[in-house]
Parts: sequence; C-alpha cells; structure tokens
Amino acid sequence: DVKVTQSSRYLVKRTGEKVFLECVQDMDHENMFWYRQDPGLGLRLIYFSYDVKMKEKGDIPEGYSVSREKKERFSLILESASTNQTSMYLCASSWGSASPLHFGNGTRLTVT
Amino acid sequence: GENVEQHPSTLSVQEGDSAVIKCTYSDSASNYFPWYKQELGKRPQLIIDIRSNVGEKKDQRIAVTLNKTAKHFSLHITETQPEDSAVYFCAASRSGGSNYKLTFGKGTLLTVNP
Repeated sequence: DVKVTQSSRYLVKRTGEKVFLECVQDMDHENMFWYRQDPGLGLRLIYFSYDVKMKEKGDIPEGYSVSREKKERFSLILESASTNQTSMYLCASSWGSASPLHFGNGTRLTVT
Repeated sequence: GENVEQHPSTLSVQEGDSAVIKCTYSDSASNYFPWYKQELGKRPQLIIDIRSNVGEKKDQRIAVTLNKTAKHFSLHITETQPEDSAVYFCAASRSGGSNYKLTFGKGTLLTVNP
C-alpha cells in the first residue's frame, strides 16, 4: 500500500516565520503535489513536481515555494508566513499521468 | 486552465435512498475523471475513476457516468448507508506529458440519515 507521510499533523507558527512542510512517499512515484484545503473552497493546487528538481506552479502559488531534491521527498516552503496561509495542507503523489492521487494525512497549519 | 464545478454543495438523504452528485468541466481535452471520498478528519481517498473512452463505470453501489459532449460527469450512490456520509470531490485532468495535474471541484457534503 502506498504510504505518503507528512512530517507534522499540527503546526503553529508566527507571522513572518519561514515554514517548511515535508512530505515523503515510499512508492517511487514520479509526480508529487501540494494542495491546500479550506472549507467551501475544496482542494486547490499550490505546486506540483513531475521529476526530481522539476516544479510547476499550480493555481495558487503566491507566497509559496517548493523543493524536490530527491524523488521521494517534496517540501513546501512558506517564505514568510501570513495569517491567510492558515489552512490544511495536503501532500499527494501519483505514479504517472492520469493516475490516482495518494494523499498524506495532512498538516493543519495555524499562523498567528 | 481547467475549471470544475460541483453540485450540490450539501446533500442529505435517508438511508437506502440514492444520491447523485454532478460535476461539469471546462477543458475539452480533459480525459481522466476521478472521484474522492473524504471522511471527517481523514485523507481523501479514491473511490472510482473513469476515462474518456468509457461512458459509464460501476463498482458495487457506486457508479460514474460521463458525457463528453456536454462536459459533465456524475457520481451515483445507490442504497446509501450511514458510512457513506463524507465529503465527495470530483476532479478532472488531461493525461500525457509532464503537465499532469488534477483540478478538483469544491466538494459535496453528503449526509445519510439513519
């Protein structure tokens, strides 16, 4: 069974802090994704990566960056956290084009 | 880019009734349409998916239909049970190339009343 592990379940940070969210998958998947989930807004794509060191902007990349130095690991970085980035962040991976996403358990980030 | 609209946002049914959730998409090149179920406090999980070369797919009490001409697809749950209560998301994407990404609808909260 595919396992996608997010490093933190809950995180509380202060405005202006640099925040790292880590995600690791164990199935040698090519694609990795970061979504944020907010009530009434569904799942919105922040960034995705289809290969090591490759990244593509999703629908809401502003205020975020990503890093994929190894195939199994995809990091989301908030350069300077703001209160409007308080949200649930979901990492996902998939083996190829048009294939199911496997999600992690999510990180609930609160920025105060 | 792709835009996926999902209706209704909430749906309440009696146990044993059927539930239907509908989605429309904007990109005529989209050809992969999965549905995810998210129970309270848990991760979204794939329950069924359909590709554009198929008009309908069934898996026990769940079925999905696709109308490519009208650019809409629907999830049908028959004989609903309380454990079907969850948020359901539809999604759409193209296949092929490096630009693979899923665009999700905003979700439908389904409540099945015993």
